[in-house]
Amino acid sequence: NAGVTQTPKFQVLKTGQSMTLQCAQDMNHNSMYWYRQDPGMGLRLIYYSASEGTTDKGEVPNGYNVSRLNKREFSLRLESAAPSQTSVYFCASRTFTGAVNTEAFFGQGTRLTVV
Amino acid sequence: AQKITQTQPGMFVQEKEAVTLDCTYDTSDPSYGLFWYKQPSSGEMIFLIYQGSYDQQNATEGRYSLNFQKARKSANLVISASQLGDSAMYFCAIINTGGFKTIFGAGTRLFVKA
Repeated sequence: NAGVTQTPKFQVLKTGQSMTLQCAQDMNHNSMYWYRQDPGMGLRLIYYSASEGTTDKGEVPNGYNVSRLNKREFSLRLESAAPSQTSVYFCASRTFTGAVNTEAFFGQGTRLTVV
Repeated sequence: AQKITQTQPGMFVQEKEAVTLDCTYDTSDPSYGLFWYKQPSSGEMIFLIYQGSYDQQNATEGRYSLNFQKARKSANLVISASQLGDSAMYFCAIINTGGFKTIFGAGTRLFVKA
């Protein structure tokens, strides 16, 4: 049971380059999320997708775009990477959008460095 | 807007002793869920325990229990009989009524001493 799979695990980009972080879940979850984790700031929500076909901004959406390709996949794109986007990125999924009592399942994270 | 505050950047505890990690929250929703996650040095996020706003009893999961004080808007995590493997970052999180967004606190790093 793979759960939530993120690719790549590590990436180094030059300022101005673009890239897409991939995320896929095999648990038939409706909701998917992208977070970034910076030292001392916990996890901050970038974008989320409550269900297939919908996406919404989180706390820190600037500089990012997302695509909910289908129920399984939710990608995060950096169009023009900046050093401030150096972070660890986590993808997560939850089973049911409307319930408050279901925990999120996380991928292993992508460590991104922008030089 | 919802907010989670964890005021303890770091905590030390002796092996086999109990430790309490603090979490306070702010929300205007009457229905919400509170979660604790553990992040060991390997980086993965591990779900520990959940408390619903309407739950009458404090949640427990093995050595983990949640001291839920709704009027004070606090949801402290209690770890009993600490083990060396408990050394990790611990995050408190809240999810709103619609269940769309989970908001995390800044975390508390726990060090368990032998």
